[in-house]
Amino acid sequence: EIVMTQSPGTLSVSPGERATLSCRASQSVDNDLAWYQHKPGQAPRLLIYGASTRATGIPARFSGSGSGTEFSLTINSLQSEDFAVYYCQQYNNWRTFGQGTKVEIK
Amino acid sequence: EVQWVESGGGLVQPGGSLTVSCTASGFTFSNSWMTWVRQAPGKGPEFVANIKQDGSGKNYVDSVKGRFTVSRDNAKNSLYLQMHSLRVEDTAVYYCARDHVLGFQDFWGQGTLVTVSS
Repeated sequence: EIVMTQSPGTLSVSPGERATLSCRASQSVDNDLAWYQHKPGQAPRLLIYGASTRATGIPARFSGSGSGTEFSLTINSLQSEDFAVYYCQQYNNWRTFGQGTKVEIK
Repeated sequence: EVQWVESGGGLVQPGGSLTVSCTASGFTFSNSWMTWVRQAPGKGPEFVANIKQDGSGKNYVDSVKGRFTVSRDNAKNSLYLQMHSLRVEDTAVYYCARDHVLGFQDFWGQGTLVTVSS
């Protein structure tokens, strides 16, 4: 099983600042990497797939990068609605998720 | 707009059974692989099972093989997960989701809580 490790566990950021989240795979997943946003009581929302392609309707302040085993999600100019938990998922070999990064208001 | 109605969650004793279901609208249900993902308290999501468009192909995570069965009714745009021999560690919010052709999940339901406890 491919293990996905996200860091940090919690990120404290002020509105308007940039947040950078990391995700590492235990073996190469090429660019078969997705990012999801999850708010309490809501359905998870697809943000990024193919490591760097924004899903339909996702604002340009969200960007993804990386390939192989190292990936990152950057959120520029954080808005109030961006405070949530973010998960990475590999879909190269079965499907496994990271444990999440909580982005909270500083 | 993709919408979901999920139901069937609740409290069940260890060793018991429960079926969760979801009904989708806003897309052609019969054209998509469908997936169940669960999230236990304080943990990341876990892929549970998925099912091919016509129900002829199914995949399960090892921990539920032989205990859970995924099925679908395309005429009702509905997805089901029958759970037997439930364990405390099966306690989670269970989400249904649509599989994109590339393998990730592009639309998710809001989830239904299953609690296994005596």
